[in-house]
Amino acid sequence: DAKTTQPTSMDCAEGRAANLPCNHSTISGNEYVYWYRQIHSQGPQYIIHGLKNNETNEMASLIITEDRKSSTLILPHATLRDTAVYYCIVFYNQGGKLIFGQGTELSVKP
Amino acid sequence: KAGVTQTPRYLIKTRGQQVTLSCSPISGHRSVSWYQQTPGQGLQFLFEYFSETQRNKGNFPGRFSGRQFSNSRSEMNVSTLELGDSALYLCASSPNSGSFSYNEQFFGPGTRLTVL
Repeated sequence: DAKTTQPTSMDCAEGRAANLPCNHSTISGNEYVYWYRQIHSQGPQYIIHGLKNNETNEMASLIITEDRKSSTLILPHATLRDTAVYYCIVFYNQGGKLIFGQGTELSVKP
Repeated sequence: KAGVTQTPRYLIKTRGQQVTLSCSPISGHRSVSWYQQTPGQGLQFLFEYFSETQRNKGNFPGRFSGRQFSNSRSEMNVSTLELGDSALYLCASSPNSGSFSYNEQFFGPGTRLTVL
């Protein structure tokens, strides 16, 4: 399984963009990048995923570098409710098996 | 659509006992996965069931087992409980339509198991 590296924690001011980096230098060509987040005491929540093109949905944007060795999750206007642990996961066709790392604890401050 | 439901939400057991946790996936979802979350080890994959068959398995001892019924509901069983089994057990369901590019999992609220 490809491994990911994320900063342990980050702070972001409310209303500003939160940019969460993820390094996945050993990713192979057919592995996808998924992002989930877990708000305290809740189950993880899917945010977005991508293969090589940048992706955007109502929650966030995902920017994947051309060499696919790293990616950035962007929350365009962070709110206090975005305070959570964010997990970057890479995998290919493993069915329901997600390998979670330690994630990044994002604190959005007023 | 109703979300993933897990029962019970909280459970207290003693060492040596066994426990069964239940998970009802979102209607139409055929894949159910189980995860264990502890402060020390984080989120760890236990196993996944698809169409009543175990499709993936994590690195947990045989005391941890599961099954899936024809209606996609799933149960997880832990026998001979140990103190270290105290954790939040999360269930997730996925439509898993067969396309490898789509594996959005929907998590339930979890069952908090405490082993005394």
